Amino acid sequence: GAVVSQHPSRVICKSGTSVKIECRSLDFQATTMFWYRQFPKKSLMLMATSNEGSKATYEQGVEKDKFLINHASLTLSTLTVTSAHPEDSSFYICSARSSGRNQPQHFGDGTRLSIL
Amino acid sequence: DAKTTQPNSMESNEEEPVHLPCNHSTISGTDYIHWYRQLPSQGPEYVIHGLTSNVNNRMASLAIAEDRKSSTLILHRATLRDAAVYYCILRDGAPYNTDKLIFGTGTRLQVFP
Repeated sequence: GAVVSQHPSRVICKSGTSVKIECRSLDFQATTMFWYRQFPKKSLMLMATSNEGSKATYEQGVEKDKFLINHASLTLSTLTVTSAHPEDSSFYICSARSSGRNQPQHFGDGTRLSIL
Repeated sequence: DAKTTQPNSMESNEEEPVHLPCNHSTISGTDYIHWYRQLPSQGPEYVIHGLTSNVNNRMASLAIAEDRKSSTLILHRATLRDAAVYYCILRDGAPYNTDKLIFGTGTRLQVFP
């Protein structure tokens, strides 16, 4: 089946640090990638949708200058949490979908971000 | 986006069938019914999806009511590895749609040996 690799799986860093998370589709070309955030015991919240070669579309309430998304190729999207603070600590998950409508989304295993 | 309603939690014994219900009374004609599950500390995993007809795959079966206002995910023989949160999600298949998934609270399935 389709595989999405997310890296790193865990990050612990100091407040004010910027953190980059990578999401790669390993065996298919992902025209669209999605970024989610999940707090403990809560459901996934969609943050943004990114299409290869164009600007990401952010959900309401998500700061685009805080969460920078780049989708420069059909197999890689990155999320950069800029100047992270303790309230940004969360589980960040990406997903990718190949071309063709109604194809399933394939999810990475998530990145647990802890800001001290 | 059309909403879904699922029980917060369900329990099952190993080797028994499990029927996970989902209500979606405001479903539109172009909405597909998708099911994903999330194991602890992992990203969600696609399970199955359908539009009108019942669907089967190696993981599960999806039974869709004739009026499409409800559906049931069927795990034929639950194993301990099936313990997860199961999400029922409506996804608009219309060409103009952004194709994003909006997750609700899901059903937490516990499986007992």
